[in-house]
Amino acid sequence: GAVVSQHPSWVICKSGTSVKIECRSLDFQATTMFWYRQFPKQSLMLMATSNEGSKATYEQGVEKDKFLINHASLTLSTLTVTSAHPEDSSFYICSASQNSPLHFGNGTRLTVT
Amino acid sequence: GENVEQHPSTLSVQEGDSAVIKCTYSDSASNYFPWYKQELGKRPQLIIDIRSNVGEKKDQRIAVTLNKTAKHFSLHITETQPEDSAVYFCAASPYSGAGSYQLTFGKGTKLSVIP
Repeated sequence: GAVVSQHPSWVICKSGTSVKIECRSLDFQATTMFWYRQFPKQSLMLMATSNEGSKATYEQGVEKDKFLINHASLTLSTLTVTSAHPEDSSFYICSASQNSPLHFGNGTRLTVT
Repeated sequence: GENVEQHPSTLSVQEGDSAVIKCTYSDSASNYFPWYKQELGKRPQLIIDIRSNVGEKKDQRIAVTLNKTAKHFSLHITETQPEDSAVYFCAASPYSGAGSYQLTFGKGTKLSVIP
């Protein structure tokens, strides 16, 4: 079945540094991928929609200059958290679909110290 | 945009009893309603989904019902087992084109099945 791979599964970084998270569709082409953020004991909140070959669409309240999204190929989307701060610590999950249903990556636990 | 409300936020049931989780949505354009089970620290796993041209769908102990007129849908788990304990999320989405769905999630229900 369709698989979405996300890397890394966890990362610890210092405040002010940048972190890149990769999301790959392993056996299908995904023209659209989605990035979610999930704080402890809360729901998944859509951050942005990543479109292959074009600019990402960001949800209201999400800073596009802070959360850089690149979707350069049909199987890879990357999220870069720039100048990370402790409040950016969260669980970041990507998803992609081919017709349906939506497939999620394993998520990335980001801790900013 | 879409707004999804989910109730209850927590639910405790005795093993073997049934559990029901209810969600409402606001956007009449939504036509796809999946349910996800998420264990602590892991990704959401799709357990069942329903489309707006169907009123009910069942898969073994799990069933989902949809009332388009009232804009609500429910998850029913029968004969609950301890391994059903997890956080369950409902979601709603219109079809985004190119085989893609942009989901709006409910806030989740923490289900605890007591042995």
